[in-house]
Amino acid sequence: SQTIHQWPATLVQPVGSPLSLECTVEGTSNPNLYWYRQAAGRGLQLLFYSVGIGQISSEVPQNLSASRPQDRQFILSSKKLLLSDSGFYLCAWSSLGGGHGYTFGSGTRLTVV
Amino acid sequence: KQEVTQIPAALSVPEGENLVLNCSFTDSAIYNLQWFRQDPGKGLTSLLLIQSSQREQTSGRLNASLDKSSGRSTLYIAASQPGDSATYLCAAYFGNEKLTFGTGTRLTIIP
Repeated sequence: SQTIHQWPATLVQPVGSPLSLECTVEGTSNPNLYWYRQAAGRGLQLLFYSVGIGQISSEVPQNLSASRPQDRQFILSSKKLLLSDSGFYLCAWSSLGGGHGYTFGSGTRLTVV
Repeated sequence: KQEVTQIPAALSVPEGENLVLNCSFTDSAIYNLQWFRQDPGKGLTSLLLIQSSQREQTSGRLNASLDKSSGRSTLYIAASQPGDSATYLCAAYFGNEKLTFGTGTRLTIIP
């Protein structure tokens, strides 16, 4: 069966520090991969998605970037965190075309102080 | 623009009652619709996935329906329990490799 792993679960980082969140999927190949952010009391915002290795689409211009170095690995990064980067970050995967639905990871709570 | 809306934003009902959560979407060319549950501080748990060719899906006490022509989906929860308290999110897939989410309904079941 397919599983998705996301870490760390919680993270407290000072303003201006770098960020690296990692997401990996097991049990499938060539998944579509997604990074979402959920700010306190707000809806889910799609940040990046990838349909293949090295292919990244950005939905919102901001302080973050994403990379997909391997088929089942998706990384969210920042060179210098801002206070506004605080939030709950969720990784997700789907099959090509989304026909079998989306599966989400357990999330990372990021607090920038 | 493809949008998904959930009303109300919050709902409280006594334990044991049946309830319906609503989701509406603006584009009838929907591929599928998925209902999720989110507990505080947790990730999203998929509850039901309805393909565009289907009218409804059932899992235990949950039943989800899809009406493409009216742009509506409902999630029916039978015999509600305190453990059903959570935020419920619907999300539509319009075939553009992206899932469009509603803002959710926060459900509280009163013991």
